[in-house]
Amino acid sequence: AQTVTQSQPEMSVQEAETVTLSCTYDTSESDYYLFWYKQPPSRQMILVIRQEAYKQQNATENRFSVNFQKAAKSFSLKISDSQLGDAAMYFCAYSGSARQLTFGSGTQLTVLP
Amino acid sequence: EPEVTQTPSHQVTQMGQEVILRCVPISNHLYFYWYRQILGQKVEFLVSFYNNEISEKSEIFDDQFSVERPDGSNFTLKIRSTKLEDSAMYFCASSWTGGGYGYTFGSGTRLTVV
Repeated sequence: AQTVTQSQPEMSVQEAETVTLSCTYDTSESDYYLFWYKQPPSRQMILVIRQEAYKQQNATENRFSVNFQKAAKSFSLKISDSQLGDAAMYFCAYSGSARQLTFGSGTQLTVLP
Repeated sequence: EPEVTQTPSHQVTQMGQEVILRCVPISNHLYFYWYRQILGQKVEFLVSFYNNEISEKSEIFDDQFSVERPDGSNFTLKIRSTKLEDSAMYFCASSWTGGGYGYTFGSGTRLTVV
């Protein structure tokens, strides 16, 4: 079974600064997808960014980018120019042949003005 | 942008009662899911549904739970006899391909069992 580990329960960052959230996963599959979801206080699950395992190029979406290290099974999220609206719980998630998401335990991000 | 719609947003029920949580997935999506998040904990997979049948289910999804797609648009989760520990946020999600292009989540139903 696949597992996803987020070792940072809480992180904080100053507004306009950069922060990196860590995620590692364990799988024996070679073809899979990785995701970062944002959950604000409303508890809506919002897709931030996705990465296909067969692509070496790291995904980027505006201020959000990932550092995908397949051999190390690491998938970190970098948020540049942090904004107050980025404050939320961030979940790393894995999807493989079973076609469902396995989530990490989440990192609560606080943005300090 | 297409949305996954869940109703109700909040439901309070007495222990032992049956509840039905409703979801309208995105119309051209083929895979449907229910996830659960107990307050302060991670999001957990309950069940996936494809081609009008359950394709995967977790250990959480026991005989108290059932899912249905009664018509072409709705996707429901029924809990037959609720327990206090069923109190959680329940998320419906849908996907076109079953994962690769991402999953769209609804805004959730907060279920409180008293």
